[in-house]
Amino acid sequence: AQKITQTQPGMFVQEKEAVTLDCTYDTSDQSYGLFWYKQPSSGEMIFLIYQGSYDEQNATEGRYSLNFQKARKSANLVISASQLGDSAMYFCAMREGLENNRLAFGKGNQVVVIP
Amino acid sequence: EAGVAQSPRYKIIEKRQSVAFWCNPISGHATLYWYQQILGQGPKLLIQFQNNGVVDDSQLPKDRFSAERLKGVDSTLKIQPAKLEDSAVYLCASSIGQGGYNEQFFGPGTRLTVL
Repeated sequence: AQKITQTQPGMFVQEKEAVTLDCTYDTSDQSYGLFWYKQPSSGEMIFLIYQGSYDEQNATEGRYSLNFQKARKSANLVISASQLGDSAMYFCAMREGLENNRLAFGKGNQVVVIP
Repeated sequence: EAGVAQSPRYKIIEKRQSVAFWCNPISGHATLYWYQQILGQGPKLLIQFQNNGVVDDSQLPKDRFSAERLKGVDSTLKIQPAKLEDSAVYLCASSIGQGGYNEQFFGPGTRLTVL
């Protein structure tokens, strides 16, 4: 069964606008972590933001925030004030349990920021 | 601080040939990961090392893939013999440790094309 689901088609967003990328996950663990990574065309994976399953506050890192809805098992990424450099693939990933750091990735969301 | 280094960046081989990839993790990082990213998908973990021991290789096709991490630092991933479906980007990542929250830092990847 797929652990991480990202089903949005490629998205075009106007520069300076906000964009929300959807991510739903499936786990029976009580302890887990959710990550978002950015992958520009150059190929490297860049860590953006992390949310722990026991964190009561939604995570924020600069222009990135995570809308964590535990009951719905969703962890949507919000990018505010989009910049041209935000054009990339965005991957949601989950770490299950506390004893290992194995990540299960979704298929990604393509974002293109237009001026 | 130097990031995760990988070489080569690109490799083209014919099916049934052998290929090897090299990874040098961030200094002091005990945990090293190899991921396979097929075009249009998220990365899939192939193998995880803690120092020079294997923690998880459940998704490694052991009939053709092998990996080692001698002395708990550098690692090599080998494919022998390669198949067409092995065409992918092979990403190496490292983290300080495993368990709890440990951010994974990724290298630039090796893009393998099997003809």
